[in-house]
Amino acid sequence: DAMVIQNPRYQVTQFGKPVTLSCSQTLNHNVMYWYQQKSSQAPKLLFHYYDKDFNNEADTPDNFQSRRPNTSFCFLDIRSPGLGDAAMYLCATRISSGYNEQFFGPGTRLTVL
Amino acid sequence: QQQVKQSPQSLIVQKGGIPIINCAYENTAFDYFPWYQQFPGKGPALLIAIRPDVSEKKEGRFTISFNKSAKQFSLHIMDSQPGDSATYFCAASGVSGTYKYIFGTGTRLKVLA
Repeated sequence: DAMVIQNPRYQVTQFGKPVTLSCSQTLNHNVMYWYQQKSSQAPKLLFHYYDKDFNNEADTPDNFQSRRPNTSFCFLDIRSPGLGDAAMYLCATRISSGYNEQFFGPGTRLTVL
Repeated sequence: QQQVKQSPQSLIVQKGGIPIINCAYENTAFDYFPWYQQFPGKGPALLIAIRPDVSEKKEGRFTISFNKSAKQFSLHIMDSQPGDSATYFCAASGVSGTYKYIFGTGTRLKVLA
């Protein structure tokens, strides 16, 4: 089945130790999103790619970086995780034409010790 | 202008009841209004979506009512079941432009058996 896959599902890191989360999709969607979701809150958009064009939200901390080496893969790098970065990180994809939904992956739960 | 206001924050109903969740928006450029359902530890999944050219859309037990002049839309869950217990997010988006969703703050629904 076509889908959005996130790895790992659970990630534990030390305070300040860089971590990379990955997202892959078999939907061939040209738009990919990274969201941060904290408990009982709505997903918060960090950045998105329209094809190869990178779009950073104004309030996304510099600590968060992203790479999209090809259509199928997207990575979220957290350079120096703080305790406040513990959250669920969601990847989503969408085809840019028309009225189409965003498909979400299952998320990666990040714990910072 | 970019906010989507969602209410209530939480809702408890008996099995078979009809929970109603309301959302309001300000930006008249929005033209796509999805509702997402999220279970704990999972990514959001599209439940139903509507465009402003219709006033109501039904899919199974789920109905969206849309009031364009009031800039409001709501989700009704008919014959609610304990399995519907989840968090529900409304969102708004424009087809053109950045393809971003503006999410509501979420409603935690509990359906009692």
